[in-house]
Amino acid sequence: EVQLLESGGALIQPGGSLRLSCAASGFTFSSYSLTWVRQAPGGGLEWVAAISSSGGSTYYADSVKGRFTISRDNSKNTLYLQMSSLRVEDTAVYYCANALCIGGDCSLYYFDSWGRGTPVTVSS
Amino acid sequence: EIVLTQSPATLSLSPGERAILSCRASQSVGSYLAWYQQKPGQAPRLLIYDASNRATGIPARFSGSGSGTDFTLTISSLEPEDFAVYYCQQRRNWPPWTFGQGTKVEIK
Repeated sequence: EVQLLESGGALIQPGGSLRLSCAASGFTFSSYSLTWVRQAPGGGLEWVAAISSSGGSTYYADSVKGRFTISRDNSKNTLYLQMSSLRVEDTAVYYCANALCIGGDCSLYYFDSWGRGTPVTVSS
Repeated sequence: EIVLTQSPATLSLSPGERAILSCRASQSVGSYLAWYQQKPGQAPRLLIYDASNRATGIPARFSGSGSGTDFTLTISSLEPEDFAVYYCQQRRNWPPWTFGQGTKVEIK
């Protein structure tokens, strides 16, 4: 069974930094592209960042580019999101998700399995 | 960036009724569209990918159709567990992967 477990969410002041982690199990971690998606309170889904299976390619939403860094450790089956210069508008539940494999291709097209999310609150 | 617009914002229906949800793209996404279901306090769940393919374990009452800019998610007969928020998502042009703003299906 695929499991994704996010951690690291907290209450943090504007301008602060935080690192989120997503521990994965139940699938061949190193073969899958992965992503972070967030959801502000009462809001919809917003894609944040994505990373290829090797970690060699990363992608960011304009709203977080230059402030957030996505990375992965395939030896630890863990995905990370380093967040800095946090803003009030970054307040959200952050979900990690893996790619849906289509025909053996596990590139990030759609988001298959999701974690339960970790809440980040940016407030003074 | 491709903008996805979902309608209606809220759909009020009774169990057993048919639900028809719409997603319109600002430019063609071909068939590269997915639908997700999200219940309160839960993570989203993938229902449909590539416009019409059901994800693993998704009941047959869920079906997707459309191509280009206009897409539909149909729930043929609403079960109590189907009352939730539904999002569409495109993967035609990325990044960014974009979502619609959601349609809430509520009990009438």
